[in-house]
Parts: sequence; structure tokens; C-alpha cells
Amino acid sequence: AQSVSQHNHHVILSEAASLELGCNYSYGGTVNLFWYVQYPGQHLQLLLKYFSGDPLVKGIKGFEAEFIKSKFSFNLRKPSVQWSDTAEYFCAAGTASKLTFGTGTRLQVTL
Amino acid sequence: GAVVSQHPSWVICKSGTSVKIECRSLDFQATTMFWYRQFPKQSLMLMATSNEGSKATYEQGVEKDKFLINHASLTLSTLTVTSAHPEDSSFYICSARDFEETQYFGPGTRLLVL
Repeated sequence: AQSVSQHNHHVILSEAASLELGCNYSYGGTVNLFWYVQYPGQHLQLLLKYFSGDPLVKGIKGFEAEFIKSKFSFNLRKPSVQWSDTAEYFCAAGTASKLTFGTGTRLQVTL
Repeated sequence: GAVVSQHPSWVICKSGTSVKIECRSLDFQATTMFWYRQFPKQSLMLMATSNEGSKATYEQGVEKDKFLINHASLTLSTLTVTSAHPEDSSFYICSARDFEETQYFGPGTRLLVL
């Protein structure tokens, strides 16, 4: 069965600190990978996606993610977080027919 | 681009009534839309896949007679919660898939059944 694991449930960082959120997936066959962000009181927004090609994917707002096939991982990174990055982050894996979401990581950035 | 709207944003109803939620893709056509349910502090759970012009595909454990889905056009899908009960209270989110196989999400509808 497909599954997505996000190991960090709650992360607290100071502004300007570097961020890495882990995501591992279990999926048979070719898989598309996504990171979505949900800011407080807002809907899910696409941060970045990987379908194929360069395993290092750059998204909006300075985020990037690296697909490591051998580790079944798609970790999200940002070199320097801002207070406005406080949000819930969801990793998702799947195909055009179905996405499986991780349980989410709550990021809290302090001033 | 890639904006998805939902209406209403929240609804309160009495037990036994039916509630209809609309999901629209505003600036693109979506042959496939998805309906999710999100419980507090949990992830999204896929309920069903809505295909334009054909019957919806429901996930295991989701009652198709309870959650009626209609995908009448390339920009509109509706979810009707029939004979709603308090246990149906939840946050319902739709998404629409574009031609690049990316899902874009609506703002969600909070349903409270009294």
C-alpha cells in the first residue's frame, strides 16, 4: 500500500535558520512527488513538484526539494527561513489518479 | 492561475438534512476533481475521485449513497452530504487536476451538523 511518512511533526526555528523537512514514501512504480503548504487560515498551496528529470527541484519562496530514489525520500529545504514561513507543510506522493499525503509538519518560525 | 473555489466556506445544518458543496476550477478545465476530508490536526483523506461525465470513484469505506458526487462540467463538481449526522461534521476540501497532473486545492468547506 502507498504511504508517505513525515518524521517531523512540529519544528520550531528561529528566523534565518536553515530548514530541512523529511519525507519518505512507499510506492510501487513511477511516482510524482509534491510539497504543499497551508498557511494559517488559508488553503493548501503548491510549493513544488517532481515528476522526472533533475532530482533537485526549486519551488516558490526559496524552497527546494531533492528526490533521492535510493532512499525513497523527497526532503524539503530552505537555507534561511522567515517568520512568514510559519505554516503546515504536507508531502504527497502518487500518480495522476491518486495522491497520498503525509501527516504534515507544523513549522513555527520565531523572531 | 490555477485557482479553485469552494462554496460555501462553512455551513451549519440540522441532523437529517442534506448539504451541497460546490467546487469550481476558475481558470482552467479539470476533467478530474477530488474530494478530501481533513480531520483536526490530521492529514487529508481522499474520499472520492470525480470524473467529468462519468460516475465518481469512491475510496474504500466511503459510502457512495451518503456522499453523492456530480461532475457536471469541466469546471464544476458538487458533493452532497445526504441525511447528514453529527459524525459527518468535518472539513471538506476539493482539488482539481490540471493537464500537467498537478492538483490545485480549494479553500475548504467546514461542515457542522447539529
